[in-house]
Amino acid sequence: GIQVEQSPPDLILQEGANSTLRCNFSDSVNNLQWFHQNPWGQLINLFYIPSGTKQNGRLSATTVATERYSLLYISSSQTTDSGVYFCAVEKSGDRDDKIIFGKGTRLHILP
Amino acid sequence: GAVVSQHPSRVICKSGTSVKIECRSLDFQATTMFWYRQFPKQSLMLMATSNEGSKATYEQGVEKDKFLINHASLTLSTLTVTSAHPEDSSFYICSAPDSMNTEAFFGQGTRLTVV
Repeated sequence: GIQVEQSPPDLILQEGANSTLRCNFSDSVNNLQWFHQNPWGQLINLFYIPSGTKQNGRLSATTVATERYSLLYISSSQTTDSGVYFCAVEKSGDRDDKIIFGKGTRLHILP
Repeated sequence: GAVVSQHPSRVICKSGTSVKIECRSLDFQATTMFWYRQFPKQSLMLMATSNEGSKATYEQGVEKDKFLINHASLTLSTLTVTSAHPEDSSFYICSAPDSMNTEAFFGQGTRLTVV
């Protein structure tokens, strides 16, 4: 099956810093999403971004589908940004629409 | 975006009992829903695909008789953990694709503790 690798696995930053999270995938995808899992476990949809670039406030994401990677940028980090960030993909041609998750990047923003 | 509601958010049950978790799409119809399981500090693992009006499709290694899935309507899928044991304690979360079958939306998750 498709492999989804996220890096780094853990990241500790001071409040106000910028960060870049990476997601590599091993096959063509027709769906890529970034999620933030908060401390209560809830998954928050950040971006639906199978290709191109999107921005939402301090967050932006870029997916280069031909090179099979996506980047999530967080600028001016706040303590509320702490949590686990997951990249999830749906393989092209997969009629079951299954979403496969990476292992996540655990982000801890220090005050 | 679309809203998926999952209930209960937290449940504690005794070993040997069964627990039912509900997943509802509130403002859209979902012919397909997905159930995931997450162990502490690990990623979400797909357990099964719930199909409205037909049998669920289980991932390899997931016990069909342990995790019963019913998708009786276009807005409701249920996961029943039967004869629960402490090793079934986990975080369970459901998802449904939106009406365009593009973006996935997730329920709030259910933290199951079996004592």
